[in-house]
Parts: sequence; structure tokens; C-alpha cells
Amino acid sequence: AQRVTQPEKLLSVFKGAPVELKCNYSYSGSPELFWYVQYSRQRLQLLLRHISRESIKGFTADLNKGETSFHLKKPFAQEEDSAMYYCALSGNAGGTSYGKLTFGQGTILTVHP
Amino acid sequence: NAGVTQTPKFRVLKTGQSMTLLCAQDMNHEYMYWYRQDPGMGLRLIHYSVGEGTTAKGEVPDGYNVSRLKKQNFLLGLESAAPSQTSVYFCASSYSAGGNTEAFFGQGTRLTVV
Repeated sequence: AQRVTQPEKLLSVFKGAPVELKCNYSYSGSPELFWYVQYSRQRLQLLLRHISRESIKGFTADLNKGETSFHLKKPFAQEEDSAMYYCALSGNAGGTSYGKLTFGQGTILTVHP
Repeated sequence: NAGVTQTPKFRVLKTGQSMTLLCAQDMNHEYMYWYRQDPGMGLRLIHYSVGEGTTAKGEVPDGYNVSRLKKQNFLLGLESAAPSQTSVYFCASSYSAGGNTEAFFGQGTRLTVV
């Protein structure tokens, strides 16, 4: 069975400090990994996906297959980064995922001024 | 362009009552999903659909039924609501079955069963 674990329920940092949101996964095949974000009073939206290898809003995430991790990082946090962050995995070993997502528990990031 | 719209946004039910949550998308997406969001558990997949007229069970389907009579709509039904179904429900859609596909979410429905 596939599983996504986000060990930190809450994470607080000060503006300008580096931030790292941890995500570990278990999956028997080659996973597709995502970070979704939910800002206050907004809907859940895609932040980035590992296959794109892009930086969005200053955030990056590297897939480490050896450590089965997909941590989200930003060198200098901003107050507008405060939100709920979900790590998610799409995969169906031996079959088709149909776009189904397995989510972690979520991490609430608060960036203090 | 509305994207994914859920109706209603809030609802309070008494135990044993029934209700239907409506999800509508205007992006011509084939794939639609219903998730529930509970504190400390993230989002969990209830049911999904890979096209008009199809439905399939997700991780936590018990107590729910779904229908996809039209491509743009995906309905989630609770036949006899229970307090354990108190949750925030999210509908999502995607244009492809590929694992790399972005999911587009509705704004959520907050349901309380008393």
C-alpha cells in the first residue's frame, strides 16, 4: 500500500528564515509526487510536482528515492507563505493511477513577521 | 471560468438524514474525485470516476454513493448520515489519467452531522 507521511503538523518560522517541510513516502513503484497548498479561504491548489523540476514562489522539492523523501524547501520564507501544505503521491503499481492522490496529513506553516 | 464548483458550501444534518453534494466542472475533464478532509488525516479518497457513467470506490467509500450521469457533474450522496461523516468534502477533477496530472479542486463543503 502507498503511504505519505508529513511528520510535522505545525511549523513556525520567522520571515527571512529558511523553511523545510518534510515528506516521506512508501511506494513499490516509481511515484509521481506533488506539493499542494491551501491558503486561508482559498481552495487547494498545486504548488509543484517533482517531474517538472521547477521552482514555484521560491519553493523547490527534490525527489530522493534512496531516502523515499520529497521535502519542500525555501531559503527565505515570506509571511504570504503561511498556509496548509500537503504532500501527495500518485501511483498504482502495476496499473493506472487514474490521477488518484494519496495525501499526507498536512503541515500548517506559519511565517511570523 | 468557474473551474470546479461545489454545492452547498455548508450543511448541518441530523443523524439518519440524507443529502446530496453536487460537484460541477466546466473544464471538460474526464476524471473526477471526491475526497474528505479530517484533522490529522489529510485528504482521503471516497469515490472517483474515469468518465461519464462510470464510478469506482476509493479508500473510504462506506456510507457514500456517487453518480456521474453527465460528464460535468459528480454527485456524492449520503443515504443515512452518521456523526463519523462530519468532515470537509472536496471535489476535484483532472484532464488525464496520467500520474503526473494536476488535480483542480473545488472550494469544499463543510458538513456537520449531529
